[in-house]
Amino acid sequence: KAGVTQTPRYLIKTRGQQVTLSCSPISGHRSVSWYQQTPGQGLQFLFEYFSETQRNKGNFPGRFSGRQFSNSRSEMNVSTLELGDSALYLCASSLRQDSEAFFGQGTRLTVV
Amino acid sequence: GESVGLHLPTLSVQEGDNSIINCAYSNSASDYFIWYKQESGKGPQFIIDIRSNMDKRQGQRVTVLLNKTVKHLSLQIAATQPGDSAVYFCAEGSGGYNKLIFGAGTRLAVHP
Repeated sequence: KAGVTQTPRYLIKTRGQQVTLSCSPISGHRSVSWYQQTPGQGLQFLFEYFSETQRNKGNFPGRFSGRQFSNSRSEMNVSTLELGDSALYLCASSLRQDSEAFFGQGTRLTVV
Repeated sequence: GESVGLHLPTLSVQEGDNSIINCAYSNSASDYFIWYKQESGKGPQFIIDIRSNMDKRQGQRVTVLLNKTVKHLSLQIAATQPGDSAVYFCAEGSGGYNKLIFGAGTRLAVHP
């Protein structure tokens, strides 16, 4: 069974631009969570979606947003990119809230 | 591959030895505790979890111990192999996997 798929794997953007990252969860999984990973801050929770609804949100500015589609695929968007947004963005999916979360390989975003 | 963390604490062990990785968690209300392994260029991979109503759980070559009194979690790896070399993260959640708080991580280096 296919794992969590994130696209693109690598992305380079310029300050001020906006970016959209995509995540396809494991088939049948309805919960999708997003995390930001940086060497300085480690892994930090961004938000979580279940059945197209955002259930939880981390402490990130409003420039970070997301959505989930009816097929459970999710996208996250970052507007007005800053250098500090350079990070590995990870998506995780789980069948239910209390079942283990499986991570994708991430999208490496570099802001120049 | 991408650098997961530049200044992580490192545990160096000899192949065949047992490894113990420790973690202090932050939230007394957390009831899910998970260990993830992250290899360079990959997303975190689930190793084992434990719920707050348990103090020990065993998997294949791994054991997780939970001490709620001092908010401490440990991962024991038996007969450590070169393939175990990676960064290990503990994570805690409340009510499930949908909003995990990750520790800073420990780099495990296995030497032949």
